[in-house]
Amino acid sequence: AQSVTQLGSHVSVSEGALVLLRCNYSSSVPPYLFWYVQYPNQGLQLLLKYTTGATLVKGINGFEAEFKKSETSFHLTKPSAHMSDAAEYFCAVSTTGNQFYFGTGTSLTVIP
Amino acid sequence: DGGITQSPKYLFRKEGQNVTLSCEQNLNHDAMYWYRQDPGQGLRLIYYSQIVNDFQKGDIAEGYSVSREKKESFPLTVTSAQKNPTAFYLCASSGYSEPATEAFFGQGTRLTVV
Repeated sequence: AQSVTQLGSHVSVSEGALVLLRCNYSSSVPPYLFWYVQYPNQGLQLLLKYTTGATLVKGINGFEAEFKKSETSFHLTKPSAHMSDAAEYFCAVSTTGNQFYFGTGTSLTVIP
Repeated sequence: DGGITQSPKYLFRKEGQNVTLSCEQNLNHDAMYWYRQDPGQGLRLIYYSQIVNDFQKGDIAEGYSVSREKKESFPLTVTSAQKNPTAFYLCASSGYSEPATEAFFGQGTRLTVV
């Protein structure tokens, strides 16, 4: 069975500070990993994804994530938070069966 | 532009009524999905379809029904059997592959029972 755990349902950072959103997964087979962002009353937008190859992946809006197989993690980072980064972030995994499994989300607040 | 269109954006339903949420995609994707989103619970899979005229129940299918008569369309009906239908509903699609490489989402429909 596959599952995704996002540590911290709410994260607050100051504008200009490092953003770190944590994601751990469990999977019996090599997964594809995703981070999505959701603004209020909107759908989910893909930030970045890992499928194969380089384990450090860069996405939109200055975000990046590193796939660490030994730690079963795929944490999302951004060096300097901007007010516009305030949103809900979801980590997801896909394995076999063309299925996606989502974490419960982390709400990011950026303090001016 | 290619994408997924959900309609309506807001929907109000009286208790005891069935209501159908529309989802259309022009991405030529084989797979389509319906998720329900409640605060603090993330996305929960209601139904999914990998191919026309075929669909499978997800984790919370009770009180919902779907059809997949065309590749582009995957409507969701919320029936009166769904005890707590007020939620934000998201439709998604992806090309068929294992693992799936990316899900594209619509803008969602917010359903409120009044």
